[in-house]
Amino acid sequence: GDSVTQMEGPVTLSEEAFLTINCTYTATGYPSLFWYVQYPGEGLQLLLKATKADDKGSNKGFEATYRKETTSFHLEKGSVQVSDSAVYFCALKGPGANSKLTFGKGITLSVRP
Amino acid sequence: DTAVSQTPKYLVTQMGNDKSIKCEQNLGHDTMYWYKQDSKKFLKIMFSYNNKELIINETVPNRFSPKSPDKAHLNLHINSLELGDSAVYFCASSQDAGQGVIGYTFGSGTRLTVV
Repeated sequence: GDSVTQMEGPVTLSEEAFLTINCTYTATGYPSLFWYVQYPGEGLQLLLKATKADDKGSNKGFEATYRKETTSFHLEKGSVQVSDSAVYFCALKGPGANSKLTFGKGITLSVRP
Repeated sequence: DTAVSQTPKYLVTQMGNDKSIKCEQNLGHDTMYWYKQDSKKFLKIMFSYNNKELIINETVPNRFSPKSPDKAHLNLHINSLELGDSAVYFCASSQDAGQGVIGYTFGSGTRLTVV
């Protein structure tokens, strides 16, 4: 079945550091890929998405490129802020209308001033 | 004008009780979901309804029963609550747009604590 693997956390960075969070996936067909963010005490928010190979999703300075050859969707940001501290989830959804959104385990990012 | 709203936000109850969590979406989406998030933040889908019809039913104890009176509502009823049911439960909705996927919109969660 479909699965998403995220790098182990937590991750602690200083403000303005470069961020990479790795995500790889296993899926049949051509899934859509997502990054969701969960700020403390809140629900999940869609951060960015990509629906086909070589698509780049971007939002709020975050980017991720759909790499079919490496089955990856790594999240990057050039300069993190304290306000980026949250839990980040990589997810995929199969092409069928009735397929489900499958999440990775999530990784906690803490950014210190 | 909250897109996906869940009630209550917090729920503390004793073992053996029966409780319900309600979810409503005003986005006009056709599909709604319940997810369970455990203490390690892991998210697992429980149920999915499309236009009031059950389409995903993961391996969930039958003490959990979803009900969708219309496509804007998906409630979760839990019988005979157990300690292991303590978690945060998220409702979500989505609208597939042809081959494109807009993404899910999540509610803010219901933190259930069974004592």
